[in-house]
Amino acid sequence: AQSVTQLDSQVPVFEEAPVELRCNYSSSVSVYLFWYVQYPNQGLQLLLKYLSGSTLVKGINGFEAEFNKSQTSFHLRKPSVHISDTAEYFCAVTNNNAGNMLTFGGGTRLMVKP
Amino acid sequence: EPEVTQTPSHQVTQMGQEVILRCVPISNHLYFYWYRQILGQKVEFLVSFYNNEISEKSEIFDDQFSVERPDGSNFTLKIRSTKLEDSAMYFCASTASGRRGTGELFFGEGSRLTVL
Repeated sequence: AQSVTQLDSQVPVFEEAPVELRCNYSSSVSVYLFWYVQYPNQGLQLLLKYLSGSTLVKGINGFEAEFNKSQTSFHLRKPSVHISDTAEYFCAVTNNNAGNMLTFGGGTRLMVKP
Repeated sequence: EPEVTQTPSHQVTQMGQEVILRCVPISNHLYFYWYRQILGQKVEFLVSFYNNEISEKSEIFDDQFSVERPDGSNFTLKIRSTKLEDSAMYFCASTASGRRGTGELFFGEGSRLTVL
């Protein structure tokens, strides 16, 4: 079985400040990791993914995440946030057997303040 | 840019009524999914569908649920007799890659179901 924990349900941050959204996972097999973003009144959109190779993954809108196998983490970072980054962010995991059956974390609401 | 569309955006129904949620996946995608999110809880996988049959389903997807691709464009989720605990946001998703794909799903905006 696999699971995902997003430690922070809400993260308030001022515009142009850096942000880190934390994600930890649990799995007995090799994993694929994802961050999805949900803007208000929209569906989930893929932000970035780790499948293999370089542990630092760059995504859209200036976000990046680092896969840390020893700490079973996949934290999302952005050096300078914008008001438009206000959204719900979901970390998700799957593996080669589960394919597209994603296991999601509980989500982190990023609130960027002016 | 192609997108997954879902209707209705919000439906209110009485307990015991049948509900059909509709989705139009991206046109060249072959694999379809339903996920749901109960308020305050995690997004959960319900079912995957390929080649006109269910590929995988979770424990949540019991006999009250069914899926169908009635024509070349729509993908529906039917709840036969709704319960209070079926109140949730239901997300449809599609992808071009299959079971051994890599989780890059394209999601719709969701259909919020409220059961009274």
